Amino acid sequence: DTEVTQTPKHLVMGMTNKKSLKCEQHMGHRAMYWYKQKAKKPPELMFVYSYEKLSINESVPSRFSPECPNSSLLNLHLHALQPEDSALYLCASSQERAYSPLHFGNGTRLTVT
Amino acid sequence: AQKVTQAQTEISVVEKEDVTLDCVYETRDTTYYLFWYKQPPSGELVFLIRRNSFDEQNEISGRYSWNFQKSTSSFNFTITASQVVDSAVYFCALSEANYGQNFVFGPGTRLSVLP
Repeated sequence: DTEVTQTPKHLVMGMTNKKSLKCEQHMGHRAMYWYKQKAKKPPELMFVYSYEKLSINESVPSRFSPECPNSSLLNLHLHALQPEDSALYLCASSQERAYSPLHFGNGTRLTVT
Repeated sequence: AQKVTQAQTEISVVEKEDVTLDCVYETRDTTYYLFWYKQPPSGELVFLIRRNSFDEQNEISGRYSWNFQKSTSSFNFTITASQVVDSAVYFCALSEANYGQNFVFGPGTRLSVLP
């Protein structure tokens, strides 16, 4: 069983909808990440939270808005997305050190219509 | 700049064959970490192994083994006696001590093990 839980597993939304992706971890990790993965591509880093503060934003469009309510939770708020935003969105956590491996959730498969 | 290359896009083998997945990296940092991840069709990336730049010992875990060679900047992954359950996309990744959480993933190698 994965120790990083993501909901929902699948999401279909229109371009005018507002939705949120949720991620939860109970491993005591202090860094949490959002990655986007298109088909047949590696994961691309979007955001990193370290000790609940946004530490990396990889020039992601403002239609993606991350939120870290506490050290165990990470949300990604979606608004006015485009069809090209359809992808697998992966949450990960780690111990906030370069040597600490990322632990991934199962991902949310997002389709924007 | 950091970079990870996996030259093999797709590999197909028949069950029980051995297979080696190649990974070549570039970094200017003297302290760095290399990782292998497995992504089965279900989508979750599963951490397999981490190697530190100062530890070139090879490692074996069951049917899996890893060969780290700093002289050629390579960190190759061998599966012995492959099984259908090994079918997945395998990613090699790099993180540098000076850049904390900025992991760089290679493009991945899709392994298909045929019965």
